[in-house]
Amino acid sequence: DTGVSQNPRHKITKRGQNVTFRCDPISEHNRLYWYRQTLGQGPEFLTYFQNEAQLEKSRLLSDRFSAERPKGSFSTLEIQRTEQGDSAMYLCASSRRTSGGGLEETQYFGPGTRLLVL
Amino acid sequence: AQTVTQSQPEMSVQEAETVTLSCTYDTSENNYYLFWYKQPPSRQMILVIRQEAYKQQNATENRFSVNFQKAAKSFSLKISDSQLGDTAMYFCAFMKLYDKVIFGPGTSLSVIP
Repeated sequence: DTGVSQNPRHKITKRGQNVTFRCDPISEHNRLYWYRQTLGQGPEFLTYFQNEAQLEKSRLLSDRFSAERPKGSFSTLEIQRTEQGDSAMYLCASSRRTSGGGLEETQYFGPGTRLLVL
Repeated sequence: AQTVTQSQPEMSVQEAETVTLSCTYDTSENNYYLFWYKQPPSRQMILVIRQEAYKQQNATENRFSVNFQKAAKSFSLKISDSQLGDTAMYFCAFMKLYDKVIFGPGTSLSVIP
């Protein structure tokens, strides 16, 4: 179990550019979540997948944001035409959805990708 | 909608002492989970302790324990024998079954040597 990994760890971009982040979940986890965390705040939910299906999107996820999980393994989060307000830490988490629920549903977080839009 | 409140933005504790972080939440759900996550400066979010709402017994993990009061919708974290490595942001979090996690605003804990 190597944990959740995210790449890149840091990204600096200019306003108007597109950026893409990648998340690799824990191998047996079928659920994958994206959160955004601004400085000094708790993470806020963006979207989540069960296998390859995107089941929920937050209102925070504007049209400039798109997430995919094409084969039910890794996921990408793309931000088009970045704005300075997009500067934040983008966190990925994964969990294992079971029929009985329980604490196996606990989400484990990656190290995050810190985005700075100049 | 569920909300999580942490009323203590910052706290400090002397090394080896005990500190309690407060958390309250609001929900109409009966089955849910509660978590405390720790985020050290510039480091990864780590799970500290978790509690299932249907269990009356309070969860404990080594020096960490919770006081779960379901009727009062309160979920406090007690850290015993505080260590310098406990310095971090602590987030209280709520999750209903099969759903996303909702985080509180966090409490910044400093352990003073």
